[in-house]
Amino acid sequence: DAKTTQPNSMESNEEEPVHLPCNHSTISGTDYIHWYRQLPSQGPEYVIHGLTSNVNNRMASLAIAEDRKSSTLILHRATLRDAAVYYCILRGGSEKLVFGKGTKLTVNP
Amino acid sequence: EAQVTQNPRYLITVTGKKLTVTCSQNMNHEYMSWYRQDPGLGLRQIYYSMNVEVTDKGDVPEGYKVSRKEKRNFPLILESPSPNQTSLYFCASSFIPPSTGGKYEQYFGPGTRLTVT
Repeated sequence: DAKTTQPNSMESNEEEPVHLPCNHSTISGTDYIHWYRQLPSQGPEYVIHGLTSNVNNRMASLAIAEDRKSSTLILHRATLRDAAVYYCILRGGSEKLVFGKGTKLTVNP
Repeated sequence: EAQVTQNPRYLITVTGKKLTVTCSQNMNHEYMSWYRQDPGLGLRQIYYSMNVEVTDKGDVPEGYKVSRKEKRNFPLILESPSPNQTSLYFCASSFIPPSTGGKYEQYFGPGTRLTVT
């Protein structure tokens, strides 16, 4: 599975937008970009995924660079409940999820 | 409500005493998987199953067994638990697309915290 690189931690203020970056320079043409998050003491939770085009859902937006070597998860208005570890994962041809260390997001009130 | 359930949520046991952690999903998913999560090591896959009676090893299968007799259930069996299996365990499930994999989201259970003394 291709590798992703994320910052170890980020901090945000409540009700402000948050942009979580992910680099994946070795992505292949069939790899989907998935984002999951893990709230404290809970199982991972699906956030969003995309292949080439930007994607929006009720939780977040995913902006994918034109060359697909990076992507950004956007939380439009962070809440305290969004404090979690966010994982950027590439998946292609396999159902297996390979979790890296992720980005720990702290949201300040 | 679509969900993955695990039981028990917490378990303290002693070395060598066989145990089973159950996992059940109500979404008719073909794919099911077990992960363990340890500090500094992240989430690692133990075993997975693509469908009934089809199981395969993940990255850290030693000391574990699984079975998939029914589509909805995927129990994790520790025949002779040891202290190095003290960990947080997660079960997950998803649909398998007819062609390219990686398309569908996985649903995770709430976790089972196992302590082996």
